[in-house]
Amino acid sequence: DGGITQSPKYLFRKEGQNVTLSCEQNLNHDAMYWYRQDPGQGLRLIYYSQIVNDFQKGDIAEGYSVSREKKESFPLTVTSAQKNPTAFYLCASSATGRYGYTFGSGTRLTVV
Amino acid sequence: GENVEQHPSTLSVQEGDSAVIKCTYSDSASNYFPWYKQELGKRPQLIIDIRSNVGEKKDQRIAVTLNKTAKHFSLHITETQPEDSAVYFCAVPTPRYIFGTGTRLKVLA
Repeated sequence: DGGITQSPKYLFRKEGQNVTLSCEQNLNHDAMYWYRQDPGQGLRLIYYSQIVNDFQKGDIAEGYSVSREKKESFPLTVTSAQKNPTAFYLCASSATGRYGYTFGSGTRLTVV
Repeated sequence: GENVEQHPSTLSVQEGDSAVIKCTYSDSASNYFPWYKQELGKRPQLIIDIRSNVGEKKDQRIAVTLNKTAKHFSLHITETQPEDSAVYFCAVPTPRYIFGTGTRLKVLA
């Protein structure tokens, strides 16, 4: 996946359950991002982190949480507070001073 | 905040014809303008980008043009092929990455 790996590829969540989506990169990129994409829609920013131990809310952060304990890892937790989590989740990274994104292959989350 | 408008939302062209997608932005401090291609069910991939110190950049059949005065940049695809069918997104990273709403391009054989 071009140096950025998302897992799992498919994830099913039961009502009231928290789930965590993994994102790992070996590109030595400082910045990492999480986007949500609904069918036929664009990309909406959930959270982003430009440095370890620091992250900022994006446009739709409610019901989500993140951590950035290591440069390589930026996991996203979808909490039970997110009432409509069914979507395609994309993680991306970029190098400092360079603006092109590298995307992971995505995780498709479905509520069952 | 930054506002990015992308047009058209859908575009159908005959194979071999050209396609043009346009994005308009609001922040005059923006200095980097990428285009991404997303095939069905897959991740977006960077296909071409341009910095504000040039007006045009070309890579084989695709090109991007930038008009900083008017605050718009465009993706041009020439001699379109069926494999060009996808959703294309522009983005403006200043001060924070904002994607356009996407253009679904269909190349008709």
